[in-house]
Amino acid sequence: AQSVTQLGSHVSVSEGALVLLRCNYSSSVPPYLFWYVQYPNQGLQLLLKYTSAATLVKGINGFEAEFKKSETSFHLTKPSAHMSDAAEYFCAVTLNTGGFKTIFGAGTRLFVKA
Amino acid sequence: EPEVTQTPSHQVTQMGQEVILRCVPISNHLYFYWYRQILGQKVEFLVSFYNNEISEKSEIFDDQFSVERPDGSNFTLKIRSTKLEDSAMYFCASSDLDRNSPLHFGNGTRLTVT
Repeated sequence: AQSVTQLGSHVSVSEGALVLLRCNYSSSVPPYLFWYVQYPNQGLQLLLKYTSAATLVKGINGFEAEFKKSETSFHLTKPSAHMSDAAEYFCAVTLNTGGFKTIFGAGTRLFVKA
Repeated sequence: EPEVTQTPSHQVTQMGQEVILRCVPISNHLYFYWYRQILGQKVEFLVSFYNNEISEKSEIFDDQFSVERPDGSNFTLKIRSTKLEDSAMYFCASSDLDRNSPLHFGNGTRLTVT
């Protein structure tokens, strides 16, 4: 069955440091992968999505993710963390079933220290 | 930019009562969803809806739950007899007819069952 696994429920970085949030997927077919961000008391917003056109995907707010088929990974990175990046980040996959069903990883809360 | 709107933002109800959560999806979207997020936990898929019928549903979406699109704009989630464990944030989302299309989320309804 298709799923996503996020390693690390909490990640803490200093302002200006590299952000790396990990996501691994399990899928026997090309997956439809996404990263979403959730700020307090808000719904989820799309950060970026994987398309087969490119393995390195750029999203909003300086985030990017690299699709690595050999590692079944889609890790999210940002070269330099900003205080405003503190939020919950969710990796997601849309399943190849008859209908439409997107499932989310458990989420990683990013803390940014001054 | 068009957005998904949900009402009410907060709903408090007594155990055993019926509640209806309301959503207005983005007007040209064809797929609609409900998700649930219990405090501090992951975002859980409840149901997807297309062409006036349920497309997919999870094990959580039992006979106590129902969805409806009563007119051309609203999409509702009804919980017939609420339980304490139904307390959560409920998010509505909508998307285009493409598995690579992202979900657009509302800001959620916080349901508290007492």
